[in-house]
Amino acid sequence: NAGVTQTPKFQVLKTGQSMTLQCAQDMNHEYMSWYRQDPGMGLRLIHYSVGAGITDQGEVPNGYNVSRSTTEDFPLRLLSAAPSQTSVYFCASSYGKEYSPLHFGNGTRLTVT
Amino acid sequence: KNQVEQSPQSLIILEGKNCTLQCNYTVSPFSNLRWYKQDTGRGPVSLTIMTFSENTKSNGRYTATLDADTKQSSLHITASQLSDSASYICVVVKGGSQGNLIFGKGTKLSVKP
Repeated sequence: NAGVTQTPKFQVLKTGQSMTLQCAQDMNHEYMSWYRQDPGMGLRLIHYSVGAGITDQGEVPNGYNVSRSTTEDFPLRLLSAAPSQTSVYFCASSYGKEYSPLHFGNGTRLTVT
Repeated sequence: KNQVEQSPQSLIILEGKNCTLQCNYTVSPFSNLRWYKQDTGRGPVSLTIMTFSENTKSNGRYTATLDADTKQSSLHITASQLSDSASYICVVVKGGSQGNLIFGKGTKLSVKP
């Protein structure tokens, strides 16, 4: 099993550019989520989804959009990149039960200049 | 305020030695507590998930303890190996919802030969 796959691994954008971070999982998980990890801070939830067609905002949703058209995929869109969005982004998925472990991808390191 | 505090921030030990990492939390209501290991450049990987009624849980050389009364947890690593060098993240799940994970900032462990 591939688990949670994120692409690309690295990306450099100029301020104002847009891009989509891809996330796919092959574990038939209902729950998927996006986090950002910044130096000196814990992981922070951006958006999450409890199933296809259902998304909700997390702690830091501004500047990001998501959609969930299939169970497998959960892309994260940056519409107009800002330097404050420079971070490492992690996608995670689980069965969505109270004690289900989260499975993380290996991250996308994004730099906005 | 829901918070997860980890100590120490960083730790250097010699290969073969034991160490203990601490996690204090003020999250309420409490559902479960998790420890994750994050290797450099990789996503976090689940080590243990502890419910309110569990005091101790082991995963190989990793042993987690939980004192729900004092809201403290520890992760003990026995006979450390070079591959244990990583960040260890304590996560508390609030109220049983996957969307309500509160992440600590992590403890960075370096194991030296």
